[in-house]
Amino acid sequence: GDSVTQMEGPVTLSEEAFLTINCTYTATGYPSLFWYVQYPGEGLQLLLKATKADDKGSNKGFEATYRKETTSFHLEKGSVQVSDSAVYFCALRAGGGYNKLIFGAGTRLAVHP
Amino acid sequence: DVKVTQSSRYLVKRTGEKVFLECVQDMDHENMFWYRQDPGLGLRLIYFSYDVKMKEKGDIPEGYSVSREKKERFSLILESASTNQTSMYLCASKGASNTGELFFGEGSRLTVL
Repeated sequence: GDSVTQMEGPVTLSEEAFLTINCTYTATGYPSLFWYVQYPGEGLQLLLKATKADDKGSNKGFEATYRKETTSFHLEKGSVQVSDSAVYFCALRAGGGYNKLIFGAGTRLAVHP
Repeated sequence: DVKVTQSSRYLVKRTGEKVFLECVQDMDHENMFWYRQDPGLGLRLIYFSYDVKMKEKGDIPEGYSVSREKKERFSLILESASTNQTSMYLCASKGASNTGELFFGEGSRLTVL
């Protein structure tokens, strides 16, 4: 079945460091891909998305490119801030109009001053 | 702004008790979802509903039931709580379009003793 695999955390970085969180997926058809973020004590919120191959989603300095050839959707940010400390979830929505999202296990990011 | 409200942030129940988790959304969304979030496992779909009185099993429905009598409200029911149902429960809603964005509540942390 469809699945999402994320790199295990926690990821610990100093402020202004470069961030990469790896995400790969297995899916039939042409899924849409998402990154959600969960700040401490809050629910998940959409960070960015891409709906077809080679699309790049971006928001708040974060980027991810939908790579069909490597079935990947890695999250990157050039310079992280303490306020980026959160749990990041990669997710996919399978094609065919089915509404549910399949989530990865989540990666905790801790950014220190 | 879309708001998804979960009635209880923290609950403590005893084994065998019946537990109700309530979720209300204010954006007239057709689709509503219940996930549980556990460390290292990410989010797993329990049940979802695409219309009033309609429900579909997710990936881990055992031990749970749901009710959707009104469009804005989606309830998760644990008929007889067990310790392995100790978890964070997240409700989400989504409109009818295929953009795939889910809007989440802040979560209900349930402890079963």
